[in-house]
Amino acid sequence: GQQVMQIPQYQHVQEGEDFTTYCNSSTTLSNIQWYKQRPGGHPVFLIQLVKSGEVKKQKRLTFQFGEAKKNSSLHITATQTTDVGTYFCAGTSTDSWGKLQFGAGTQVVVTP
Amino acid sequence: DVKVTQSSRYLVKRTGEKVFLECVQDMDHENMFWYRQDPGLGLRLIYFSYDVKMKEKGDIPEGYSVSREKKERFSLILESASTNQTSMYLCASSQDALGTQYFGPGTRLLVL
Repeated sequence: GQQVMQIPQYQHVQEGEDFTTYCNSSTTLSNIQWYKQRPGGHPVFLIQLVKSGEVKKQKRLTFQFGEAKKNSSLHITATQTTDVGTYFCAGTSTDSWGKLQFGAGTQVVVTP
Repeated sequence: DVKVTQSSRYLVKRTGEKVFLECVQDMDHENMFWYRQDPGLGLRLIYFSYDVKMKEKGDIPEGYSVSREKKERFSLILESASTNQTSMYLCASSQDALGTQYFGPGTRLLVL
């Protein structure tokens, strides 16, 4: 069945540095969504990408959907302590209507 | 703002007990979901529902059942709780099957 894998599982970042987390699917995706979960909180929707090669930006966050619609990335520039949390990607396979498959998440720790 | 509420934040039950977890959303969303979240495994879909009285199995439905008698309410039932069902349970709702999911605060269940 469809699998969504995220790497790395953990990311320690110095405040001010950039980092990227990657999401890879074993099947072609209809869309990819990204969520952020703060420590002790629940996942909160960040963005959805639908088109092949799509790039979207939210302030210091850049999201990209691969040309083959099987991978995605989230790049954060100039990391701040407010970026702490776990970032999940979630995708819907073209043959599994209604079922969003979540990756295991990248847990981000920011040191001042 | 969409609001998704869950009946309990923390719950302690004994092995063999019947457990009800309730979720209510106030945005008239068609779709509702139950996930469990475990460290290193991300969010795994247990069941989802796209309409009143309709339910579909997710990736890990064994040991669980659900009920959706009203549009705004989606219940998760553990018929006979077991220790391997100790987890964080998250409910979510969405208007579109492939759209943004809005999560509740979660119920942390401990089965002794």
